[in-house]
Amino acid sequence: DQQVKQNSPSLSVQEGRISILNCDYTNSMFDYFLWYKKYPAEGPTFLISISSIKDKNEDGRFTVFLNKSAKHLSLHIVPSQPGDSAVYFCAAKTNAGKSTFGDGTTLTVKP
Amino acid sequence: DVKVTQSSRYLVKRTGEKVFLECVQDMDHENMFWYRQDPGLGLRLIYFSYDVKMKEKGDIPEGYSVSREKKERFSLILESASTNQTSMYLCASSLGLAGHYEQYFGPGTRLTVT
Repeated sequence: DQQVKQNSPSLSVQEGRISILNCDYTNSMFDYFLWYKKYPAEGPTFLISISSIKDKNEDGRFTVFLNKSAKHLSLHIVPSQPGDSAVYFCAAKTNAGKSTFGDGTTLTVKP
Repeated sequence: DVKVTQSSRYLVKRTGEKVFLECVQDMDHENMFWYRQDPGLGLRLIYFSYDVKMKEKGDIPEGYSVSREKKERFSLILESASTNQTSMYLCASSLGLAGHYEQYFGPGTRLTVT
């Protein structure tokens, strides 16, 4: 049973437009959510996070929104740049510290 | 900057061999993790360690063991490699386990078992 799902394996957007990556979860015990970005031949790197007590967190071009009632979070990238092309993983954590990752969404930003 | 290094980028082993994957971090992090990444399955936790000589099973520990004799080093051991263990293996470390502590990942080891 996959507790964290990223239902879109891939997303393609035009440079300058908004990219929206989605993530759904089932475990109501998750209390922190993180997004990681992964380039080919590299390990994932941390991008942005949000606590379950918040509904929005913003860092530059990146904003994460959390809808607890829907058990849904999304990552918005505005404006999208070609360098944002990567695989994006959503991760959820309980207070026990273990992270559960989604399958990843491959974002392609076209110049 | 935190640096997590893994001993090999690519590894080819035969079925039945004992395989050691090594991971070293240089930021004095308490916690270290081993994941495998497979298409369509994302990152799945194999084992993690929250202190020297301490370990806990993750979601898919079968067929694997780990060793943490020193704080900076965390080894993943495949006692008898099988073809279904062909995968990308990622090591990570973190300063803490609480929610806001992110993990720092190594570049990964692509293991092929033939």
